[in-house]
Amino acid sequence: AQSVTQLDSHVSVSEGTPVLLRCNYSSSYSPSLFWYVQHPNKGLQLLLKYTSAATLVKGINGFEAEFKKSETSFHLTKPSAHMSDAAEYFCVVISLYGSGNTGKLIFGQGTTLQVKP
Amino acid sequence: NAGVTQTPKFRILKIGQSMTLQCTQDMNHNYMYWYRQDPGMGLKLIYYSVGAGITDKGEVPNGYNVSRSTTEDFPLRLELAAPSQTSVYFCASCKDRGGYNSPLHFGNGTRLTVT
Repeated sequence: AQSVTQLDSHVSVSEGTPVLLRCNYSSSYSPSLFWYVQHPNKGLQLLLKYTSAATLVKGINGFEAEFKKSETSFHLTKPSAHMSDAAEYFCVVISLYGSGNTGKLIFGQGTTLQVKP
Repeated sequence: NAGVTQTPKFRILKIGQSMTLQCTQDMNHNYMYWYRQDPGMGLKLIYYSVGAGITDKGEVPNGYNVSRSTTEDFPLRLELAAPSQTSVYFCASCKDRGGYNSPLHFGNGTRLTVT
């Protein structure tokens, strides 16, 4: 079975400082991993995805994530936080069980990012 | 382009009442999903559909039903509402296999309270 664990439920940073949101995964085979962002009262939006190509993945709004198989991690980073980055972030792994290989997504518990002025 | 549209945005139900959460998408996506989001729990898959006429259970299907008579619409039915169904519900659609090759598009959610 596949799963993801987000190590921090809440992260607080000051504007202009780096962001680190941590995610560990469990998978019996090579996983596909995603980060989604949810702004208040909105649906989720894809930030970036890893699908076994380059291990350093760049996403939208200056975010990037590095896949580290030895550490089973897929941490999300950004060099300099903006106020608009305040949101909830979800680490997601794709599960390939089910009829027709539907690729159902398994979500982490979420990390709330607070950005202080 | 509207994307994924969910209605209503908010609803309060009494225990035992029924309702249908509507979801429609205008992107001609085959794959559609219903998730519920509870605080600190991430999103849990309720039901999904890989095309018109085909539906299947997700992780937490009990207390819910779905249908998929058209490509565009994927309504979620609660027959006998219970307090445990208080949650935020998200509908999502995808061009193909569950976000692997193309991202999921989410609606803005329906916030449901059962009292």
